[in-house]
Amino acid sequence: KQEVTQIPAALSVPEGENLVLNCSFTDSAIYNLQWFRQDPGKGLTSLLLIQSSQREQTSGRLNASLDKSSGRSTLYIAASQPGDSATYLCAVLGSGNTPLVFGKGTRLSVIA
Amino acid sequence: DGGITQSPKYLFRKEGQNVTLSCEQNLNHDAMYWYRQDPGQGLRLIYYSQIVNDFQKGDIAEGYSVSREKKESFPLTVTSAQKNPTAFYLCASSILGGDQPQHFGDGTRLSIL
Repeated sequence: KQEVTQIPAALSVPEGENLVLNCSFTDSAIYNLQWFRQDPGKGLTSLLLIQSSQREQTSGRLNASLDKSSGRSTLYIAASQPGDSATYLCAVLGSGNTPLVFGKGTRLSVIA
Repeated sequence: DGGITQSPKYLFRKEGQNVTLSCEQNLNHDAMYWYRQDPGQGLRLIYYSQIVNDFQKGDIAEGYSVSREKKESFPLTVTSAQKNPTAFYLCASSILGGDQPQHFGDGTRLSIL
């Protein structure tokens, strides 16, 4: 059974710092990996989707990488801002239209 | 704009009562999902449906029921058999095939009176 782990569970950084969030998964037979952001009391917002054949995806200050063979993904946030404070979740999609499997998330606080 | 609408935003349940959470999407997505989120935990899948009139149990289906009579709608009933229903419930939808990200509603927070 696929398991997704996110480390660290919480992270606090000063404004302007570059940071990396980590995601690992146990079964490398994935279709894609998705990164989401969740603000308190809200639903999830999609940030980036990486197909299994891709190595990375970029959107603005965000860059997500995927190493399927080692079962790892990273989300790089450049020049962090207080508005980036949220919980970041990664999820993997297996083959055969199986549902997404989520990690427990990393709660990020960017201090002004 | 297309999206997912969950209602109500807050819901209170009395002992022995069934309550129904609404989820409607206008994205023309085939698949819909219900998740439960507890503090400090990730999302746990309750039920999902990939086609009208069909649905599958997720990891924590006991005490819950769903229906999928229309493509746009996937209501979740929290029955009196669910002994610890206090949680944040999220509905999501997606196309089949995995080429697009999953979309989420804004959630319903259920509490016990």
